[in-house]
Amino acid sequence: DARVTQTPRHKVTEMGQEVTMRCQPILGHNTVFWYRQTMMQGLELLAYFRNRAPLDDSGMPKDRFSAEMPDATLATLKIQPSEPRDSAVYFCASGLDRFTIGRESSGNTIYFGEGSWLTVV
Amino acid sequence: GENVEQHPSTLSVQEGDSAVIKCTYSDSASNYFPWYKQELGKRPQLIIDIRSNVGEKKDQRIAVTLNKTAKHFSLHITETQPEDSAVYFCAASIRVLTGGGNKLTFGTGTQLKVEL
Repeated sequence: DARVTQTPRHKVTEMGQEVTMRCQPILGHNTVFWYRQTMMQGLELLAYFRNRAPLDDSGMPKDRFSAEMPDATLATLKIQPSEPRDSAVYFCASGLDRFTIGRESSGNTIYFGEGSWLTVV
Repeated sequence: GENVEQHPSTLSVQEGDSAVIKCTYSDSASNYFPWYKQELGKRPQLIIDIRSNVGEKKDQRIAVTLNKTAKHFSLHITETQPEDSAVYFCAASIRVLTGGGNKLTFGTGTQLKVEL
């Protein structure tokens, strides 16, 4: 049963500290998404990668957040420095996008990891 | 960009009754509409999806309808059971023009409670 794997599952850190969250997408998937979930904002897209290239990070606060995909099996989301308002659940999701230029896309089902529960005190 | 609105935010039904959750989207280029169920403390899980070339899709007690003209789609759950209690999210997917791929925008969620 292929799954998206996220670490850490839970993290409590002090304000100002660096936080790094990691995600292993499902083997063979070529798209990776980072979502943040809070009670007030629902599921908020932070970053989107396709074939390891960042395509959209418009939802991510650029001054403190960064997202990368060093290789096809690892995506990272880093917060530096962290603030209490960053406390949330951070979900990674992956999918297989079969889009080919000139052909209509069939859509892109994405599968979520278990999430990283971050608390910044 | 795409904007997805979801209603109601909370829904309480009696066991055995039907539940309907509605979503509207803004971008007529949206072509894929999944629904996710999220139980407390768990990850969102896909329960059903529909593509823009289909008007309705059914899977046992769950059905989804799509009206492309009106740009809205709905989730229907019949014969609700206590285990249906969860938060349900709709989403709309549009193609990202630069670099390809699809991007999912989620609604704000509906807390469904099925009472005995």
